[in-house]
Amino acid sequence: DQQVKQNSPSLSVQEGRISILNCDYTNSMFDYFLWYKKYPAEGPTFLISISSIKDKNEDGRFTVFLNKSAKHLSLHIVPSQPGDSAVYFCAAGGGSQGNLIFGKGTKLSVKP
Amino acid sequence: DTAVSQTPKYLVTQMGNDKSIKCEQNLGHDTMYWYKQDSKKFLKIMFSYNNKELIINETVPNRFSPKSPDKAHLNLHINSLELGDSAVYFCASSQVRDQPQHFGDGTRLSIL
Repeated sequence: DQQVKQNSPSLSVQEGRISILNCDYTNSMFDYFLWYKKYPAEGPTFLISISSIKDKNEDGRFTVFLNKSAKHLSLHIVPSQPGDSAVYFCAAGGGSQGNLIFGKGTKLSVKP
Repeated sequence: DTAVSQTPKYLVTQMGNDKSIKCEQNLGHDTMYWYKQDSKKFLKIMFSYNNKELIINETVPNRFSPKSPDKAHLNLHINSLELGDSAVYFCASSQVRDQPQHFGDGTRLSIL
């Protein structure tokens, strides 16, 4: 039973354009959401997070949006750069979990 | 200065053997974790541990056991290895639960 879903296994975007990565969750007890970036043969690297009391958090080129009523969050990368090409994992925590629950990841390819 | 380091990076061994993976963090974090990334690319929590409490994911076989000699280390021992144990294992740490976790680069375990 996947509590965190990333329905797009891959996404291809042109350099300079916006990348939008989506994530859905089912557990309304989640109160903390994170995005991680992962390069091959490396561990996931924390990118940005958002608390359930907010609907937007911005850090440079990265913005995370949270829609609690829809149980949906998204990561926007503007402008996209070739170095952003990686697998992006959405994760959620809080409630009774005590740990992070990860989505399956979306592989982003940014083409020059 | 690697924040979370795990060794070895690759581990190839026979079915039935016992093996250990070491993890060390120099971030002064109180909580450490082990995750398994299987062939379907899901990152699933196996254990979380701080100096007071070990939480075990109930789906983890008891052949897997974490050992923490001190706050900076959480090693993973696996007894009687099976083919299905082949995966990439990631160690992580955080200051407290539900805060951004810092990951090691993973150990790729292959069972022959």
